[in-house]
Amino acid sequence: EDKVVQSPLSLVVHEGDTVTLNCSYEVTNFRSLLWYKQEKKAPTFLFMLTSSGIEKKSGRLSSILDKKELFSILNITATQTGDSAVYLCAVEALANTGNQFYFGTGTSLTVIP
Amino acid sequence: EAQVTQNPRYLITVTGKKLTVTCSQNMNHEYMSWYRQDPGLGLRQIYYSMNVEVTDKGDVPEGYKVSRKEKRNFPLILESPSPNQTSLYFCASSLSWQTTPYEQYFGPGTRLTVT
Repeated sequence: EDKVVQSPLSLVVHEGDTVTLNCSYEVTNFRSLLWYKQEKKAPTFLFMLTSSGIEKKSGRLSSILDKKELFSILNITATQTGDSAVYLCAVEALANTGNQFYFGTGTSLTVIP
Repeated sequence: EAQVTQNPRYLITVTGKKLTVTCSQNMNHEYMSWYRQDPGLGLRQIYYSMNVEVTDKGDVPEGYKVSRKEKRNFPLILESPSPNQTSLYFCASSLSWQTTPYEQYFGPGTRLTVT
């Protein structure tokens, strides 16, 4: 059964801390791994990763994929209260008739001033 | 403005009363998909469509129907809603599924309550 597991389930940190969110997966016919941020509304796209070992960066956020060990991490440095959200990991798999997406249950991040 | 729209945003209905949630995108995307989001279960894919007249089941298709008669629209139909379909529903679209993978853009969500 295809699955995506995120850890930790929740995290509370102080502003300025650095956090690492984890995503492991067991998915047949992997195509890409995506990270989204969800703040009580629709998920917004952060990163798409398709190749191992290539870090993607956007400001204080960065992510990397390990296709051999089947996991990805999302790092947030110098956290701010605006980073408080649920972070979702999704894996795209090639199916016979198209692409399916499998989401983890998310990591809830709370950043305290 | 490039966007995915859904209607209605909120809906309370009764068991067995057929309903349709509309989804439309203005980005000329080929791929469209429906998800439901439930506490503790995350986002689960209901149906997806690779292009006009091409649809397939996701992980949780039971009790739902879809159609893709036009590229921009992908309605979700609940023929006989039941309380276990109470959920937050998201429509999403993506540029293409056939070549380079692309990110999905999500609509604002539809909060459905079935009593």
